[in-house]
Amino acid sequence: DAGITQSPRYKITETGRQVTLMCHQTWSHSYMFWYRQDLGHGLRLIYYSAAADITDKGEVPDGYVVSRSKTENFPLTLESATRSQTSVYFCASSESRGIVGGNQPQHFGDGTRLSIL
Amino acid sequence: KQEVTQIPAALSVPEGENLVLNCSFTDSAIYNLQWFRQDPGKGLTSLLLIQSSQREQTSGRLNASLDKSSGRSTLYIAASQPGDSATYLCAVGETSGSRLTFGEGTQLTVNP
Repeated sequence: DAGITQSPRYKITETGRQVTLMCHQTWSHSYMFWYRQDLGHGLRLIYYSAAADITDKGEVPDGYVVSRSKTENFPLTLESATRSQTSVYFCASSESRGIVGGNQPQHFGDGTRLSIL
Repeated sequence: KQEVTQIPAALSVPEGENLVLNCSFTDSAIYNLQWFRQDPGKGLTSLLLIQSSQREQTSGRLNASLDKSSGRSTLYIAASQPGDSATYLCAVGETSGSRLTFGEGTQLTVNP
């Protein structure tokens, strides 16, 4: 019962570097999400995906790239890291059962704490 | 743009007390509302999800209510315990997809 796992748990890098955060879920959930959590801003949605090969921007997408070639994986890439991207990043997943079934709860990973020097 | 507010930002109570956490949102056209718990250094754990057609949901000592017309939800915790100490987050689901807009949370401390 692995659920949803994020890697790495901690990462320190330098400005201008590319860094990829990994997210893997074992439930075959349709939806996957990336959030960042910052003091004073709460959790904000970066990108989300409704299915493999379908992604869409959230509230704060600038500077980030996502892909979803397989249902279970949803990596987040910072193409050229900046200090303002220092944050805790959370991946989440959920299943949707349509309009009748309603949305199901989002399940979160333990997060990646990213520091950019 | 949906905005979600949680009051109070922090709450400290003695063990055994019943308590209410508040959540308000600006756009009543929501799909659902979800309450989460977050422990320090950890991810979020879903506690309760209320669909827009529902008025409340219960799980053990937790009861969440939803009043869409007034843009409010409450999380009631009965007979609080020190293990309930955590940050509680309210999140509103949009009418399309499964996107959530979060409040900043209420940090709860239950003192033995």
